[in-house]
Formats: sequence, structure tokens, C-alpha cells
Amino acid sequence: EVQLVESGGGLVQPGGSLRLSCAASGFTFSSYEMNWVRQAPGKGLEWVSYISSSGSTIYYADSVKGRFTISRDNAKNSLYLQMNSLRAEDTAVYYCARLWEGLDYWGQGTLVTVSS
Amino acid sequence: QSVLTQPPSASGTPGQRVTISCSGSSSNIGSNYVYWYQQLPGTAPKLLIYRNNQRPSGVPDRFSGSKSGTSASLAISGLRSEDEADYYCAAWDDSLSGREVFGTGTKVTVL
Repeated sequence: EVQLVESGGGLVQPGGSLRLSCAASGFTFSSYEMNWVRQAPGKGLEWVSYISSSGSTIYYADSVKGRFTISRDNAKNSLYLQMNSLRAEDTAVYYCARLWEGLDYWGQGTLVTVSS
Repeated sequence: QSVLTQPPSASGTPGQRVTISCSGSSSNIGSNYVYWYQQLPGTAPKLLIYRNNQRPSGVPDRFSGSKSGTSASLAISGLRSEDEADYYCAAWDDSLSGREVFGTGTKVTVL
């Protein structure tokens, strides 16, 4: 069974940093492209970042470019999102999602709250 | 920030057909596949339609997708109470350095 489990969310002050993790199981992680998608409270979905299966190709949304870094460790079946210089508008539930004919599997999400 | 426009809401009675539109541009819907996601209250999104009109296994054939030019639509026929959810379209956008874009979302209410 495919499973994606996010962790690392929490309360952080503006300007602070946080590292999200996504543990994958039930499939060959190294063969799949992965994404981070976020959803602010009561708002719609916003794509955050993409990483290819090998990690060689990466894209970011303009809203996080220069502040967030996506990475993966295929040996550990894990996806990461390093978030620096956090702002109030980064408050959201962050989902990791596998890309295969669309975002076909999603984690349950981890809440990041940026507030003083 | 969304570049794909959807109506904020749609509704119907059980058994009716509901259609949701998704309007984009030549750099996204016009040149790439469209995907649809269903998000039930309090849960993670679920892939409903891929490659414009294909259903993943397990998705009822009451759900269908179509695309024409720079617009797409999702139709739900035989509406059921469990279809009450938020629905989002999505597509890759070729502009600038590339990015995935989601629609603004449509809340479907079963009356």
C-alpha cells in the first residue's frame, strides 16, 4: 500500500526556519517525481515545489523561490522541504504528493503556523 | 495567485448532473493535460481525472472530464450526497521556468 507521511510542522516565528519531511513506503520511491503542495486555512490548493526522481530537476513557485529548498534521499525513501525566512502567509497545511499521471497519492499533511 | 479560474460554487439535487468549468490560457490548459482533484472536508485531495478525461481505478464513471482549447470541465452525473466536496482543476504551466497551477476551486453542494 502506498503511504506518504509528512512530519516536521509546527509553530514558528516570522523569519524562522522549519524542515518538513515526507516518508514514503509501498512503492519504489526513487522512480517517482515528487511535489509539495500547500493549503492555507480556508483557502485553495497552491503548488509549492517539484523534484524529479533523481533530484536533478527542481522547480519552485515564485512565492517561495529563494526561501524554500526541496530535496530527497532515495536511500531513505524520504522527501524534504527546508523552509527559511518564513512569513505569516506561509501558514498552511503542507502536503507531499507523488507524481504519476497526476498527483496520484497524497500524504495527510502537516500544519505549519508562522506567528509571533 | 491561481491562474486557472473556476466558479466558486455549484449545486444540484441528488441524481442531477453538475458541471464545473476551468478556464486557463495557452501556456497551461492550451498546451498541457488537465487534472481534477476532489477534496472531501478535512481530508487530503484525491486524484479524480488525469490526462483530461481518464479516470484512475476506483473512481466512478459518474465523473467525467473534457477539454477544449484553453478550457476544461468536470461533469458529475447522478449526483450523490458523498460528492459534496471541493473540486480543483490543475495543469502544468509552460511560462517562465515552469510550474504546476491549480484552479481556484469549486465547492459542490448537494441540496
